[in-house]
Amino acid sequence: KQEVTQIPAALSVPEGENLVLNCSFTDSAIYNLQWFRQDPGKGLTSLLLIQSSQREQTSGRLNASLDKSSGRSTLYIAASQPGDSATYLCAPHGSQGNLIFGKGTKLSVKP
Amino acid sequence: EAGVTQFPSHSVIEKGQTVTLRCDPISGHDNLYWYRRVMGKEIKFLLHFVKESKQDESGMPNNRFLAERTGGTYSTLKVQPAELEDSGVYFCASSQDATVKNTEAFFGQGTRLTVV
Repeated sequence: KQEVTQIPAALSVPEGENLVLNCSFTDSAIYNLQWFRQDPGKGLTSLLLIQSSQREQTSGRLNASLDKSSGRSTLYIAASQPGDSATYLCAPHGSQGNLIFGKGTKLSVKP
Repeated sequence: EAGVTQFPSHSVIEKGQTVTLRCDPISGHDNLYWYRRVMGKEIKFLLHFVKESKQDESGMPNNRFLAERTGGTYSTLKVQPAELEDSGVYFCASSQDATVKNTEAFFGQGTRLTVV
């Protein structure tokens, strides 16, 4: 059974800092992996999809890496801004495309 | 292009009543998923439709939950009768292509269900 762990559970940083969010999963036989952000009371917004054959994916100030063999993914946020404050969720895809979620990392970026 | 839409955004019902949640996926998306987050826990998978067919319903908690996707367009999730432990946020997600299993999933805003 796939289990997803995200470290740290919460993170508070000053504006402008670069930061890394970590995600680990127990079953390396995943397909793709997706990173989301969730704002309070809102739905999930897709940030990046890393296909199983890729090792990283970039979108603007975000860079996500995937190492299937070690069961790890990281999300790197460059030059953080207060608008980046949200909960970040990592979700490996199962064989049918269903997502398996961890509890997320709650990020707070202070002005 | 409209995203995934869910109705209602909030619902408060009494224990024993029936509630029906609706999800309109992104137009043309064959895959539709239901998920649920109960208080303090992770988001959990409930079931997966490919067009109008149930592909995987292994996450459905019990037979009080019934999901349908008539015509392969919108989907409904009915809870009958509702219990207190059914309270939570119900999310719907869709992805594009049934022949390419693992494309990007897009989520709706969720329905917050409170059973009192």
